[in-house]
Amino acid sequence: DIQMTQSPSTLSASVGDRVTITCRASQTISNYLAWYQQKPGKAPKLLIYEASKLQSGVPSRFSGSRSGTEFTLTITSLQPDDFASYYCQQYSNYSPLLTFGPGTKVDIK
Amino acid sequence: QVQLVESGGGLVKPGGSLRLSCVASELSISDYYMSWIRQAPGKGLEWIAYISSASTTIHYADSVKGRFTISRDNAKNSLFLQMNSLRAEDTAVYFCARDLDRWKGYPGPVNVWGRGTTVTVSS
Repeated sequence: DIQMTQSPSTLSASVGDRVTITCRASQTISNYLAWYQQKPGKAPKLLIYEASKLQSGVPSRFSGSRSGTEFTLTITSLQPDDFASYYCQQYSNYSPLLTFGPGTKVDIK
Repeated sequence: QVQLVESGGGLVKPGGSLRLSCVASELSISDYYMSWIRQAPGKGLEWIAYISSASTTIHYADSVKGRFTISRDNAKNSLFLQMNSLRAEDTAVYFCARDLDRWKGYPGPVNVWGRGTTVTVSS
C-alpha cells in the first residue's frame, strides 16, 4: 500500500504569509495527487488535482507542485478564509487503494 | 439544489449493523466513481471504499474489508454502505463523494461531497 506523510502537522501563520505544506508518497504516484481544504464541521473542498491543476473556482493564490515523490501546496498570501486543515490524497493507479495524508492544520499565529 | 445527501447514521452497539445511503439531488452519479470517506472525531480523513460506475470495480480499505459493502443503484441516483460487525473505532462522520471526472477507468480526486452522517458505535 502507498503511505502518505505530511509536514508540518500544524502551522501557525499570519495573514499575508507565504505558506508551504509538504506531502510525501512512499513510492511513485506520478502526478496522481490532490489537495483538499477542510474547515471545522464541513466537508472537504478540492483545491488541486494532478499535483498542480487548480480546481475551478479556487483562488490563484493556491498552487501545487511535484518533485519526485514529494508534493507541495503553496498559498502565496494567506487570507483569513484560508485558516483550515489541508489534506493530500493519492489516487495513483499503481495501487487500488486511495490514501489521504494525515493533514496539516493552519492556524492563526 | 445540487448536492449529495447521506442518511442512515446513528448510535449502534459494537457488533451491530447499519446501512448508510447517499442520494444525489440535481446531479447525476451514474457515470462516476463514487467513494465513502470517513472522519473520526478530531482525526483526519480516511478513504474506506469506492465503486465504479457500473459496479464492476470495488475496493475497500483494509480497516473495513470483509465487514463493509459498498453498492449503488444508478437508476435511483443512490450509493449505499452496508456496515456489519461494527467496532468502536468505526465511530466517525461518513461522507459520500463523487469523482471529479466521469467515464474514467479508475478513481480520481473527488469534488462533490455530502455533508456527512454520523455513526457512533458504543455500548
